[in-house]
Amino acid sequence: AQSVAQPEDQVNVAEGNPLTVKCTYSVSGNPYLFWYVQYPNRGLQFLLKYITGDNLVKGSYGFEAEFNKSQTSFHLKKPSALVSDSALYFCAVRFNTGNQFYFGTGTSLTVIP
Amino acid sequence: DSGVTQTPKHLITATGQRVTLRCSPRSGDLSVYWYQQSLDQGLQFLIQYYNGEERAKGNILERFSAQQFPDLHSELNLSSLELGDSALYFCASSGRSRGSTDYGYTFGSGTRLTVV
Repeated sequence: AQSVAQPEDQVNVAEGNPLTVKCTYSVSGNPYLFWYVQYPNRGLQFLLKYITGDNLVKGSYGFEAEFNKSQTSFHLKKPSALVSDSALYFCAVRFNTGNQFYFGTGTSLTVIP
Repeated sequence: DSGVTQTPKHLITATGQRVTLRCSPRSGDLSVYWYQQSLDQGLQFLIQYYNGEERAKGNILERFSAQQFPDLHSELNLSSLELGDSALYFCASSGRSRGSTDYGYTFGSGTRLTVV
């Protein structure tokens, strides 16, 4: 079955430290992978995507993610966290055979001043 | 503004009632998706329409229905409402046309439904 997992419900990191939000997927084809961010009472905002090519993709607000095919992972990273990065982060996978997205359960990131 | 418009932003209604949520997709996008976000269920896919036709169905209850109109806006109808239907309902759109290189979704800001 196609699925995406975010193993951590909550991630806390000190301001200025690097952050990682984990995502793994289970797929039987070639996935398109995405990260979205949700601020309180707002819709999901697109951060970055991996379609093909370079495994390291850079996105909005200084975020980046690395596609690792052997580990079926697509972890979100940022070298130096800001308090304003505190939000809910969703990993999503879409398969090249269809339009439907599968979302992870979300990871709440708190950056501590 | 993402380009996807959802109305109303907030809705409070009583159990047993029926409500209609509206979504206008980003200009030119042919696909509309509805998602339900609740605290205990996360983000659940409900249904997708493409150019007026139902394309995919997820965890949508029989009390819920949707449609997409010729002008591409979509409505999600929720009937016989229960307390457990209280949630944030998101609409997303994608794909200005077949073969579009736009692979992602654009989300609206959601409708917060509270059933009392």
